Amino acid sequence: DQQVKQNSPSLSVQEGRISILNCDYTNSMFDYFLWYKKYPAEGPTFLISISSIKDKNEDGRFTVFLNKSAKHLSLHIVPSQPGDSAVYFCAARGAQKLVFGQGTRLTINP
Amino acid sequence: DAGVIQSPRHEVTEMGQEVTLRCKPISGHDYLFWYRQTMMRGLELLIYFNNNVPIDDSGMPEDRFSAKMPNASFSTLKIQPSEPRDSAVYFCASSSPDRFHEQYFGPGTRLTVT
Repeated sequence: DQQVKQNSPSLSVQEGRISILNCDYTNSMFDYFLWYKKYPAEGPTFLISISSIKDKNEDGRFTVFLNKSAKHLSLHIVPSQPGDSAVYFCAARGAQKLVFGQGTRLTINP
Repeated sequence: DAGVIQSPRHEVTEMGQEVTLRCKPISGHDYLFWYRQTMMRGLELLIYFNNNVPIDDSGMPEDRFSAKMPNASFSTLKIQPSEPRDSAVYFCASSSPDRFHEQYFGPGTRLTVT
């Protein structure tokens, strides 16, 4: 069973516009949610997190929104830059483990 | 800080051979994790250690896989005997006790078993 799902395998956005990446989860016991970014031939890099007791966390161009009733979180990147082109993984913490989604490949077009 | 170091970066081996992957976590990090990434299953946790002690190995696929952490600065993941379905990218990650969820990943080892 996939407890964390990223339904869009890819997303293409024009430079300067907003990128919105989505993630759904099924386990209501998750207490932390995270986004990681991965470039080819590198390991994932932690980007931003949010506690389950909050609904928004912002860090520069990156904002994560959590909707607990819908079991949904999203990552907003604004404005999008070419260096943001990467695979983004959503992850959730539960029972002292991180469960990762399948990833969404974001491409920023000039 | 050099970050998490993994070796080798690439490993090609024949079915039935023993494979050993190595990891050096970030100094001061008490948690060490081994993950495997495949197209089919995505990024999945195999095992993690806290203060060199294995805490959860429920993700280890079968007895052919074993992991050790003899000291705070070194861990190994061994596959014996290896099979073609073990082909994947294996990541090691570490984190500090107060920021368990902010895991720092190494560059990974791409394993190909022919």
